Amino acid sequence: SAVISQKPSRDICQRGTSLTIQCQVDSQVTMMFWYRQQPGQSLTLIATANQGSEATYESGFVIDKFPISRPNLTFSTLTVSNMSPEDSSIYLCSVTGQASNEQFFGPGTRLTVL
Amino acid sequence: AQSVTQLDSQVPVFEEAPVELRCNYSSSVSVYLFWYVQYPNQGLQLLLKYLSGSTLVKGINGFEAEFNKSQTSFHLRKPSVHISDTAEYFCVVSRSGDYKLSFGAGTTVTVRA
Repeated sequence: SAVISQKPSRDICQRGTSLTIQCQVDSQVTMMFWYRQQPGQSLTLIATANQGSEATYESGFVIDKFPISRPNLTFSTLTVSNMSPEDSSIYLCSVTGQASNEQFFGPGTRLTVL
Repeated sequence: AQSVTQLDSQVPVFEEAPVELRCNYSSSVSVYLFWYVQYPNQGLQLLLKYLSGSTLVKGINGFEAEFNKSQTSFHLRKPSVHISDTAEYFCVVSRSGDYKLSFGAGTTVTVRA
């Protein structure tokens, strides 16, 4: 299984600012994803981070709000832009394993927006 | 599109008792099914998965699940729970060959001594 780290693990931010979350994997992976888990709720897929091309966003999520980079096969960033209290969530990255139907999740970044 | 319904939001259970977490899905195509667990203040961990073949799937920590195509269900069971099984459990579905996961709302299992 892949070992995934995320930075920061948690942060408290002011309304209107932006935060960039990093996801690092210990091996090259084909697919990387970003999820959001709002307080007391389940996980929702934000986007697929594509290496060398623009991310693919799910319905309800847009690039201006959640810009994503994926410069190589082991690293991705998610930026939460112009934050509001409604963006307070846990943000998780995931990657597909060698058996591509299996996904492994990072520890998450707990974001609180005041 | 596929969707997942977890029928119980909270399941309190005594230590050493059995537990069953119910999950139903809807999809017009063949699916892969998963159960993930999220321990308090920890990340998500895969418990087990069904891709094809035997409908009874065994996972880690003594958990097992049975795929029932006619009832579109994938219930999770453990014959005897421990305090350490206290966690949030998610039933997850994806279309066969697709990487996108659809999560159920989750079931909180609280094990009491």
